Amino acid sequence: ETGVTQTPRHLVMGMTNKKSLKCEQHLGHNAMYWYKQSAKKPLELMFVYSLEERVENNSVPSRFSPECPNSSHLFLHLHTLQPEDSALYLCASSHARWAGGPNEQYFGPGTRLTVT
Amino acid sequence: RKEVEQDPGPFNVPEGATVAFNCTYSNSASQSFFWYRQDCRKEPKLLMSVYSSGNEDGRFTAQLNRASQYISLLIRDSKLSDSATYLCVVNQNGGSQGNLIFGKGTKLSVKP
Repeated sequence: ETGVTQTPRHLVMGMTNKKSLKCEQHLGHNAMYWYKQSAKKPLELMFVYSLEERVENNSVPSRFSPECPNSSHLFLHLHTLQPEDSALYLCASSHARWAGGPNEQYFGPGTRLTVT
Repeated sequence: RKEVEQDPGPFNVPEGATVAFNCTYSNSASQSFFWYRQDCRKEPKLLMSVYSSGNEDGRFTAQLNRASQYISLLIRDSKLSDSATYLCVVNQNGGSQGNLIFGKGTKLSVKP
């Protein structure tokens, strides 16, 4: 399945590094999301974009910086992360709520991030 | 009270068994409801949406009780391939773009 793709699939970075996660959706959706999944915790919503406008930021530290250049692409820029930021970062997409119709979210395979 | 609460399991059942998962949610304004499944070290995948009237998809039946703020998933004739974690998900659809609130999941292990 290639509806939502994410790169890289695995990333190991030091606390002083800067890296970016990329997400691309091929489903014609116009809303995109970043989630964090840590061990033994439910998925935590980080950011929501609807029509390339950030509509939600769930009190995420500024060391995580999202970017949505168009409705098909979403980035998460990372800098000066902490070891506790190690987790699976999942991108998802859906139809925007205002568009009506189904709003189920479809997930990419995730980037497994380890901060050393 | 947690926003979406599920029994974490694990549920260990033999092939062919019928198993039911329950989920409760705290926000009475919730609008949409889903069951996702997540295999180990993989992304969540939509299993089915849950409609007010209840809905069925093959061996899977989902029910919603808005008055009790309760969602259920029934799996009949369990297969080995059903082994996964099942996530109860609620979309609050509040304000701007609604967001999904995930339960921690219920782990199912189907044994031969």
